[in-house]
Amino acid sequence: EAQVTQNPRYLITVTGKKLTVTCSQNMNHEYMSWYRQDPGLGLRQIYYSMNVEVTDKGDVPEGYKVSRKEKRNFPLILESPSPNQTSLYFCASSLTQAGNTIYFGEGSWLTVV
Amino acid sequence: DAKTTQPPSMDCAEGRAANLPCNHSTISGNEYVYWYRQIHSQGPQYIIHGLKNNETNEMASLIITEDRKSSTLILPHATLRDTAVYYCIVRVATNSGNTPLVFGKGTRLSVIA
Repeated sequence: EAQVTQNPRYLITVTGKKLTVTCSQNMNHEYMSWYRQDPGLGLRQIYYSMNVEVTDKGDVPEGYKVSRKEKRNFPLILESPSPNQTSLYFCASSLTQAGNTIYFGEGSWLTVV
Repeated sequence: DAKTTQPPSMDCAEGRAANLPCNHSTISGNEYVYWYRQIHSQGPQYIIHGLKNNETNEMASLIITEDRKSSTLILPHATLRDTAVYYCIVRVATNSGNTPLVFGKGTRLSVIA
């Protein structure tokens, strides 16, 4: 079954404590990206990756890092989380950048206190 | 910014067709129309997409006007499980640059028993 898997699904953490949200897809997709969803702002792209070792900033990259060492994994790293990063995060993947069918993970609820 | 306009909410009786309109009067010739939906706070789910012609798949039909300035998503026999926020998105599908999905506010469809 085609899947994009995120972990953790729910996390409460404290300001400044580094955390990583993992994302893995089993479809051999080249393109992966991270979005955050906030009330009234919709989904906004944080970072994207066109392939292994190729990553770039989306619309709201501040405070985040990513890496793409393997095709299937695209972790989102918050080096020093702050309360304004409290949000619902989605990882997404598609076969290529132009892929018409974009698969989303189930989401990760992150609360920074 | 989202380039589409959708009604904020709609109701539909269970078993009836749900017709969700979308206005995209500034759509460019190379932009596709995509529909995604989000059930509660789960990951967005791809429904259908089209460029000029009407499209149908196992989930829905997409009717695009001849001038491409508007479209309608049709769920032929709505069920309670179709209650969700439906997003109409216009996007260029290209491998020559990052073209993320830009989500607007969508239409909250409530299917009523």
